[in-house]
Amino acid sequence: DAGVTQSPTHLIKTRGQQVTLRCSPKSGHDTVSWYQQALGQGPQFIFQYYEEEERQRGNFPDRFSGHQFPNYSSELNVNALLLGDSALYLCASSPGGESQEDQPQHFGDGTRLSIL
Amino acid sequence: AQTVTQSQPEMSVQEAETVTLSCTYDTSESDYYLFWYKQPPSRQMILVIRQEAYKQQNATENRFSVNFQKAAKSFSLKISDSQLGDAAMYFCAYRVPWGTGANNLFFGTGTRLTVIP
Repeated sequence: DAGVTQSPTHLIKTRGQQVTLRCSPKSGHDTVSWYQQALGQGPQFIFQYYEEEERQRGNFPDRFSGHQFPNYSSELNVNALLLGDSALYLCASSPGGESQEDQPQHFGDGTRLSIL
Repeated sequence: AQTVTQSQPEMSVQEAETVTLSCTYDTSESDYYLFWYKQPPSRQMILVIRQEAYKQQNATENRFSVNFQKAAKSFSLKISDSQLGDAAMYFCAYRVPWGTGANNLFFGTGTRLTVIP
């Protein structure tokens, strides 16, 4: 049973460019959350997708957008990249809904994004 | 606003000894979940242990146990019989139940644990 998978593993971009990161949730999970982890910091919540809609959003600018597909996989898009966007981007999945309340989030290995 | 504080940036422990990592949090909610995650250099965030706030009994998972003090909003992790493989960053995290709304994880800044052979 595959866990949460993210691609690519590493990515190098320059300022002003756009990037798309991808995440496939663990089998049986329909909720995907994205986190940004700057070097030496704890992860910060970007947004969460459930039933193909953005359910919650953290304190990130509109340059950060996402999408969830019918198979529950998700993309994170970042436009107009800034040097400060350099970070590890983590995807986490979990079953959604109150009936699955006791299920924790499972994390992928992350995508390391470097902005030059 | 929910905040999670880990006041120990770094900790070290001798192999086979016991170490306790501290975490405090701030919330106005009465029902919530607390977690300890481990992040080795491989980057994957691995769940170590979790605690439901409505349960008074402290959670345990093999060599890992917590001391949950709800009134004090304290949630410490005890690692017994420390092993070299325990070396990693440890993050304390909090979230509210799904029906409450924003049930994303709030993380602390982490504690880097070194295990000395």
